[in-house]
Amino acid sequence: DGGITQSPKYLFRKEGQNVTLSCEQNLNHDAMYWYRQDPGQGLRLIYYSQIVNDFQKGDIAEGYSVSREKKESFPLTVTSAQKNPTAFYLCASSIVGEINTEAFFGQGTRLTVV
Amino acid sequence: AQSVTQPDIHITVSEGASLELRCNYSYGATPYLFWYVQSPGQGLQLLLKYFSGDTLVQGIKGFEAEFKRSQSSFNLRKPSVHWSDAAEYFCAVGAIGNAGGTSYGKLTFGQGTILTVHP
Repeated sequence: DGGITQSPKYLFRKEGQNVTLSCEQNLNHDAMYWYRQDPGQGLRLIYYSQIVNDFQKGDIAEGYSVSREKKESFPLTVTSAQKNPTAFYLCASSIVGEINTEAFFGQGTRLTVV
Repeated sequence: AQSVTQPDIHITVSEGASLELRCNYSYGATPYLFWYVQSPGQGLQLLLKYFSGDTLVQGIKGFEAEFKRSQSSFNLRKPSVHWSDAAEYFCAVGAIGNAGGTSYGKLTFGQGTILTVHP
């Protein structure tokens, strides 16, 4: 079945450590996205990529980094510079350029920093 | 900058009652509008979307939404709620991406509305 796979589902890290969240899709979508979700704040866009080897900052990119070396993969690194990294992280993908389509979401990774 | 407001943080309804979740948006051009639903600890599932044309949009699970340009609203409705509808609901507006393409996942979300259903 086609879809988006995020791993791991739960992740625990000590403060000051970098951590990388995985996102893989087999939908053949060009665009991929990372969102952060905090209670009562909805989802906020961290980074997005419309094509391999290119990505743009979203609304809250500080303290995060990404890479897009393959069409299927868009890993997110939460660095030690992110001041409040504990959150639920959602990856999504979509077609670029066609009308009447939508983004598809993964099941999320809950990151807890202690 | 675009924005989305969901005025109701938490709504409680009885099973079988009708439901309306409010959504107001701010966007400088014709918006692309979406409603997503999220169960606890899960990802988001698309309920319905509006791009153009008929302003009353039908979605999955018996939901519908009406786009009202004059009110900048895109309210979600369901005539009879089931206990399984209990979840968090998000309204979102889409944007035109850079490089000339349109990325339908570059979304601005509302804060979400938590729906509780009483038996």
